[in-house]
Amino acid sequence: DQQVKQNSPSLSVQEGRISILNCDYTNSMFDYFLWYKKYPAEGPTFLISISSIKDKNEDGRFTVFLNKSAKHLSLHIVPSQPGDSAVYFCAARDSGAGSYQLTFGKGTKLSVIP
Amino acid sequence: NAGVTQTPKFRVLKTGQSMTLLCAQDMNHEYMYWYRQDPGMGLRLIHYSVGEGTTAKGEVPDGYNVSRLKKQNFLLGLESAAPSQTSVYFCASSYGASGNTIYFGEGSWLTVV
Repeated sequence: DQQVKQNSPSLSVQEGRISILNCDYTNSMFDYFLWYKKYPAEGPTFLISISSIKDKNEDGRFTVFLNKSAKHLSLHIVPSQPGDSAVYFCAARDSGAGSYQLTFGKGTKLSVIP
Repeated sequence: NAGVTQTPKFRVLKTGQSMTLLCAQDMNHEYMYWYRQDPGMGLRLIHYSVGEGTTAKGEVPDGYNVSRLKKQNFLLGLESAAPSQTSVYFCASSYGASGNTIYFGEGSWLTVV
């Protein structure tokens, strides 16, 4: 039972265009969402997050949008750069349950073509 | 600043052998975690610790044991390795339960033959 779903295993985008990575979740108790970026042979690194009380959070070229009613979030990268090529993981947390663990999606591999 | 360091980075084991993965963090973090990542899967939590001397089970704890004798170290043990434990293992640490302050190590590639 996958609670965090990233339905696109891969995405290719031209340099300079927008990259949109999507994530859906099923657990309505999730109240904090994060995106991690992972390069090959490295550990994941935190990219951006959003609390469930917000619907948008922006950090430079990266913006995360949250639609609670649809249980959907998306990461927008504008403009996309070749260095953005990596695997992006969506993750969610249920703080109310006292849980310290993040539930991760399977990841989306982004390729930015020069 | 080393951050989160995992040893070894690569290991090949025979079925039934035992081994320990060591994780060390130098950020004085209270919380430490062990995740595994398999092809086509997200990261899945094996065990975690909310402080020195404490451990708890995560999503996929079977076949693994952990210990947190020192605040800076979190050990993951495989008592009798199985091919299903072939995976990439990531250690992580954080100040608290805040997801955005989780720092990951570079990973340990384990193959069980």
